[in-house]
Amino acid sequence: SQQGEEDPQALSIQEGENATMNCSYKTSINNLQWYRQNSGRGLVHLILIRSNEREKHSGRLRVTLDTSKKSSSLLITASRAADTASYFCATDEPGNNRKLIWGLGTSLAVNP
Amino acid sequence: NAGVTQTPKFQVLKTGQSMTLQCAQDMNHNSMYWYRQDPGMGLRLIYYSASEGTTDKGEVPNGYNVSRLNKREFSLRLESAAPSQTSVYFCASKSLGSGSHNEQFFGPGTRLTVL
Repeated sequence: SQQGEEDPQALSIQEGENATMNCSYKTSINNLQWYRQNSGRGLVHLILIRSNEREKHSGRLRVTLDTSKKSSSLLITASRAADTASYFCATDEPGNNRKLIWGLGTSLAVNP
Repeated sequence: NAGVTQTPKFQVLKTGQSMTLQCAQDMNHNSMYWYRQDPGMGLRLIYYSASEGTTDKGEVPNGYNVSRLNKREFSLRLESAAPSQTSVYFCASKSLGSGSHNEQFFGPGTRLTVL
């Protein structure tokens, strides 16, 4: 069953703008991850945030986590055409870090 | 390092035919996974292997079997393919550690069409 739900399902912006995607989940977690999938390719890990962290940065990526609201957001600043991809959040299954529970993804289009 | 490799990249089957999807990783990871990805459905776990010698069912195991041949290889078999199994199949692997080592590494996928 899907735990994560991304919002919006699709997002279209102009190059240089910021893109924000949200993820909500249902149960307690140990950590939350964000992945990117370029069209026709496998998923690539972007960033992991632990349940005791509130914010994390990696280059142009900023992830926040609000465990009280069971939600996370991924912000991509100064977007580029190369950021066009689908973005997925994934949470570990409580008590079992071997499996991830995946959201349905946000499709981001960055227009030149 | 090649990371996670999958063969074949594309396959067309007729209903009732069988085939095996191959996956190998060279990162010495303990855990390996098979997912299917369908439009609007996200990633769904078919089977996983937490360590060499063990396999467990995921969310959608019906119609599939797996073999963890050794630490490197994890194959997925369709014994009698059905059109509902038309999908993109991804293999992934992960090291054993928790916390910051919980990321999964994905192969490029196999695009399977069952007619």
